[in-house]
Amino acid sequence: QKEVEQDPGPLSVPEGAIVSLNCTYSNSAFQYFMWYRQYSRKGPELLMYTYSSGNKEDGRFTAQVDKSSKYISLFIRDSQPSDSATYLCAMEEGGGSNYKLTFGKGTLLTVNP
Amino acid sequence: GAVVSQHPSWVICKSGTSVKIECRSLDFQATTMFWYRQFPKQSLMLMATSNEGSKATYEQGVEKDKFLINHASLTLSTLTVTSAHPEDSSFYICSAIGMKSETQYFGPGTRLLVL
Repeated sequence: QKEVEQDPGPLSVPEGAIVSLNCTYSNSAFQYFMWYRQYSRKGPELLMYTYSSGNKEDGRFTAQVDKSSKYISLFIRDSQPSDSATYLCAMEEGGGSNYKLTFGKGTLLTVNP
Repeated sequence: GAVVSQHPSWVICKSGTSVKIECRSLDFQATTMFWYRQFPKQSLMLMATSNEGSKATYEQGVEKDKFLINHASLTLSTLTVTSAHPEDSSFYICSAIGMKSETQYFGPGTRLLVL
């Protein structure tokens, strides 16, 4: 079993839809959780950074962490064609881990106008 | 803020030659830099972690003599792919963490094609 599991999709939705992206993990030592957006042939861009269980909202994006279930989600409201990209979840143990991230495989999202 | 650049953005080289990729933090000092490799439709795989002024720490399975990393200053790290072969063709991405940051900021990536 991989440390981080993420459905690679692809996921195709109409403009304006609510998008739900998810990752599960097996390493209970993960303390920090991130979502990155990566456009084709570009480097990842940090979208959300969370530490504790619960929700964190930033504009149209909401990150949700459930440490008891080892499950994290990213919700995108009112999705736009410009949201079309690959979304990567990433996790970090913290402490003395030297900021080392473990990534999911990424979910390819297409928002159709 | 927190801009990371890479140069070149793409490179084509002949098999057996060496290629150097630069990673720069433009508006902050990076205490730690990371090098990743990403194959098509795959996730980022960490190759090595480098701290300024010390030797890089390589992940299991990454040949340190083939992928030379130099983190000479707080704003510059270089990755040299020595004696490149077609199987080294990939997308190489660096990231950096600043002194007051807890998150990694990624460069735009370098696409390497070895013929």
